[in-house]
Amino acid sequence: GAGVSQSPRYKVAKRGQDVALRCDPISGHVSLFWYQQALGQGPEFLTYFQNEAQLDKSGLPSDRFFAERPEGSVSTLKIQRTQQEDSAVYLCASSLVSGNTGELFFGEGSRLTVL
Amino acid sequence: AQSVTQLGSHVSVSEGALVLLRCNYSSSVPPYLFWYVQYPNQGLQLLLKYTSAATLVKGINGFEAEFKKSETSFHLTKPSAHMSDAAEYFCAVTNFNKFYFGSGTKLNVKP
Repeated sequence: GAGVSQSPRYKVAKRGQDVALRCDPISGHVSLFWYQQALGQGPEFLTYFQNEAQLDKSGLPSDRFFAERPEGSVSTLKIQRTQQEDSAVYLCASSLVSGNTGELFFGEGSRLTVL
Repeated sequence: AQSVTQLGSHVSVSEGALVLLRCNYSSSVPPYLFWYVQYPNQGLQLLLKYTSAATLVKGINGFEAEFKKSETSFHLTKPSAHMSDAAEYFCAVTNFNKFYFGSGTKLNVKP
């Protein structure tokens, strides 16, 4: 399809496992964002890419979280040694332009449950 | 610093009644403001955005919002609620590519 695609949609991990979440943005979109949405909360910013450059990673909660976008298209959010507090929906969004006037197009999210 | 406060985590209206969802923002610079809607198990979808043009912004599905600088508000309204409007609504403010979202308001529409 033409929208933002995320996989897997659902992931159950045992505490201590590593997980990788994939985001396929809309083709040609310059900006890519990752957000974390805990149950009953609004999305919280994690990190931002402009093409392949990670310009802002101030929202990553710990050094267990790592994101990359090596070719300026697909992005992967990796969480090492998962903890129960990492359970959340991870949303990816892309935007055609850089700058804060661009509309964000969101994927359906990857729901991570850490047991 | 930028932040958004949404008053009321749950709002319930009757079908055909006025919808009013409240959003107040804090921003050290002229803000860009957005309303997004989220249906169950779906991503967020843009309803409307304010980017310093007209203060009354019209969006999709009959929604509109008015930017009031003196009140630091950007409330979302719709004259007549429809059952299909039941969803969660998020207000957001941006600063240099970082979007700050409110905690959301779940709208319930009663028949």
